[in-house]
Amino acid sequence: GQQVMQIPQYQHVQEGEDFTTYCNSSTTLSNIQWYKQRPGGHPVFLIQLVKSGEVKKQKRLTFQFGEAKKNSSLHITATQTTDVGTYFCAGMNTGFQKLVFGTGTRLLVSP
Amino acid sequence: EAQVTQNPRYLITVTGKKLTVTCSQNMNHEYMSWYRQDPGLGLRQIYYSMNVEVTDKGDVPEGYKVSRKEKRNFPLILESPSPNQTSLYFCASSSGGGFPEKLFFGSGTQLSVL
Repeated sequence: GQQVMQIPQYQHVQEGEDFTTYCNSSTTLSNIQWYKQRPGGHPVFLIQLVKSGEVKKQKRLTFQFGEAKKNSSLHITATQTTDVGTYFCAGMNTGFQKLVFGTGTRLLVSP
Repeated sequence: EAQVTQNPRYLITVTGKKLTVTCSQNMNHEYMSWYRQDPGLGLRQIYYSMNVEVTDKGDVPEGYKVSRKEKRNFPLILESPSPNQTSLYFCASSSGGGFPEKLFFGSGTQLSVL
């Protein structure tokens, strides 16, 4: 079945450093979504990428969708303590019915 | 306020005692889904529903039941809970028609089965 892997599982950075998490699917995706879950909270939708090679930015966050639509990345420039949380990617299969979440990357930012 | 409401927030129960976790959304969303979150495993889908009276299994449906009699409600039923169902559960609904796009999550239910 469809699998979505995320790396790293955990990263601890100093405030101001950059951070990147990578997402890889075993199958071609129709789109990929990113969510953020703060400690003790619930996942919150960040963005959806649909097109091959698409790049979207939200302030310090940059999201990319691979050319083959099987991988994606989230890059945070100059992390802040408010970036702390777990970031999940979620890939939708080409039938648009199944959304599979990655295992998540937990980010810790020290001031 | 647009939201997905789950109850209860915390639940401790014993093996074999039937329980229901309720989920309600006020956004008129067609798609709803249940996930469980376990350390190192991310979010795994239990069941989903693309509309009223339409439900289907996700990746880990064993030991769970759902129903979708009304558009706003999607309860999760554990007929005979077991300790391996101890987990954090999330209900979600989608603004993408009958498809899982841009999910809105409830606040979660932490379930402990003793």
